[in-house]
Amino acid sequence: QLQLQESGPGLVKPSETLYLTCTVSGGSISNSDYYWGWIRQPPGKGLEWIGNIYDSGSTYYNPSLKSRVTISVDASKNQFSLRLSSVTAADTAVYHCARVVVVGATLDFWGQGTLVTVSS
Amino acid sequence: SYELTQPSSVSVSPGQTARITCSGDVLAKKYARWLQQKPGQAPVVVIYKDIERPSGIPERFSGSTSGTTVTLTISGAQVEDAADYYCYSATDNHLVFGGGTKLTVL
Repeated sequence: QLQLQESGPGLVKPSETLYLTCTVSGGSISNSDYYWGWIRQPPGKGLEWIGNIYDSGSTYYNPSLKSRVTISVDASKNQFSLRLSSVTAADTAVYHCARVVVVGATLDFWGQGTLVTVSS
Repeated sequence: SYELTQPSSVSVSPGQTARITCSGDVLAKKYARWLQQKPGQAPVVVIYKDIERPSGIPERFSGSTSGTTVTLTISGAQVEDAADYYCYSATDNHLVFGGGTKLTVL
């Protein structure tokens, strides 16, 4: 069974950079049938798409975050990562990683999510 | 811009039919999917490609579409169906989520 697990600091200071990693187990990240994404959810609010990375390395980002976001992949470790710079309190959220089926764009497997708080 | 609009809340009694709508121009050309999220849990897909139900999802969950509106229907809603429901769509390699609907079954 495929599993995704987010990891990274739970507390980040304002203006600093948030780094999260998603480790994929039970399947290969190098599979062109899928791509990989990050989604976040501020406390008590709805889901917000952050961005995707494809097997080819191509990335697509939410226009509202594009200037601050980088998603990368390390196939040797079966991991992909999120980098979000210049964070503010508005970036406080539960961050989820997920697998997306290329045909149909179904978010079929999710990590449990990790809460990142931006505070001094 | 791509936006999806959902009602903020829907309330039904157990055994009744719950309908949650999702509207947006993008839905005239692109599929919708529905996610169910219970407190403290990751979302789960309950409908994809507008009307398809993944294996393991109860038959009482169904999807329909008409123009720029898609509808998630839960026929004979049960107490355990109480959750937040999100529609989303994909276009130009971007994903867009609706604002979410809180379903109460009491």
